[in-house]
Amino acid sequence: AQSVTQLGSHVSVSEGALVLLRCNYSSSVPPYLFWYVQYPNQGLQLLLKYTSAATLVKGINGFEAEFKKSETSFHLTKPSAHMSDAAEYFCAVSGGGTSYGKLTFGQGTILTVHP
Amino acid sequence: SQTIHQWPATLVQPVGSPLSLECTVEGTSNPNLYWYRQAAGRGLQLLFYSVGIGQISSEVPQNLSASRPQDRQFILSSKKLLLSDSGFYLCAWSPGDRELFFGEGSRLTVL
Repeated sequence: AQSVTQLGSHVSVSEGALVLLRCNYSSSVPPYLFWYVQYPNQGLQLLLKYTSAATLVKGINGFEAEFKKSETSFHLTKPSAHMSDAAEYFCAVSGGGTSYGKLTFGQGTILTVHP
Repeated sequence: SQTIHQWPATLVQPVGSPLSLECTVEGTSNPNLYWYRQAAGRGLQLLFYSVGIGQISSEVPQNLSASRPQDRQFILSSKKLLLSDSGFYLCAWSPGDRELFFGEGSRLTVL
């Protein structure tokens, strides 16, 4: 079984500041990990994914995440926040293989960007 | 390229009425299909998934049901809606055991 914990339901940063959204996972098998972004009243859009290749994963819109097995973490970062980054972000884990792509999602982190 | 569409985008229904939400995927064949529900402050909950026509697996027992009448069509239904069925319903597809690609969502309000 897998689980995901996102630390902080709300994160607020100033425009141009570092964005750090925290995600810790639990998985009984080597995990696949994902970050999604959701804008109000829209579906989820994939930001990036880790599928056992490079531990530092680069995604769209300048985001990246680092898989740290020893810490069971997959934190999302962006060096400089933009107003358009304001949204809700979800971390998700899949066990791969016979999990048939079923993802377990965290509770989400709402990112607010101040001018 | 692959696209996924779901409709209607918004729906307001009285308690006890039926429900039908539809989802269609284009540009791929034999996708895995999923229905998730997003209730306020509760993250995403997997309701149903399907790995082929007529093959439906339920993750949460409730008064909802799902069907897959065609390879790329996935329908979420209810015979009698409850207040607790209100939420944002998301259809998604996957090429296998990798990432999910989501539709635009359907917001259901049960009054």
